[in-house]
Amino acid sequence: EVQLVQSGGGVVQPGGCLRLSCAASGFTFEDYAMHWVRQAPGRGLEWVSLISGDGYTYYADSVKGRFTISRDNSKNSLYLQMCSLRAEDTAMYYCADAYRSSSSQYWGQGTLVTVSS
Amino acid sequence: DIQMTQSPSSLSASVGDRVTITCRASQSITSYLNWYQQKPGKAPKLLIYAASTLQSGVPSRFSGSGSATDFTLTISNLQPEDFATYYCQQSSLTPYTFGQGTKLEIK
Repeated sequence: EVQLVQSGGGVVQPGGCLRLSCAASGFTFEDYAMHWVRQAPGRGLEWVSLISGDGYTYYADSVKGRFTISRDNSKNSLYLQMCSLRAEDTAMYYCADAYRSSSSQYWGQGTLVTVSS
Repeated sequence: DIQMTQSPSSLSASVGDRVTITCRASQSITSYLNWYQQKPGKAPKLLIYAASTLQSGVPSRFSGSGSATDFTLTISNLQPEDFATYYCQQSSLTPYTFGQGTKLEIK
């Protein structure tokens, strides 16, 4: 059974940093690119970042230069390091696989990040 | 960036109805178009990828069509569990943008 188990959310002050983790199991993690997608309260889905199996990275303009996606294939884990956080980064963050046509068939349970003083 | 415009933003329908949601891309994305269903408090669920390929396990009352810039998601014979919010997403070029969503409500 495929599982994506997320951790690392919480409350952080504006300008601070937070690291999200996503532990994968049930599939050959290194063979798959992975996404981060977020959803602000009451809003729609926003694609955040993508990392290929061998580490190429892509970002939304809204997070470029502030967020860093990474992975450790030896630990079957995906990460999102978020710095210079702003109130508008407050959202539920999901990790997800990049399946056929880079769609996402498996999603984590989501982790809430709240940026507030 | 490629902009994705969904319409309508909300829709009321009855059980048994057939509904269509449209998604327009600001430039050609060939067939790199995915559809998701999301219920409150839950992660999105993949319905269709590559514009028209039904994800395994998704009921056949869901169908997708289109190419280039214009796409549709059709739900035939609406069931109570289909009332949710639907999103399109282009995966042709990063950033992989989503449409703003269509909330499907019970009439």
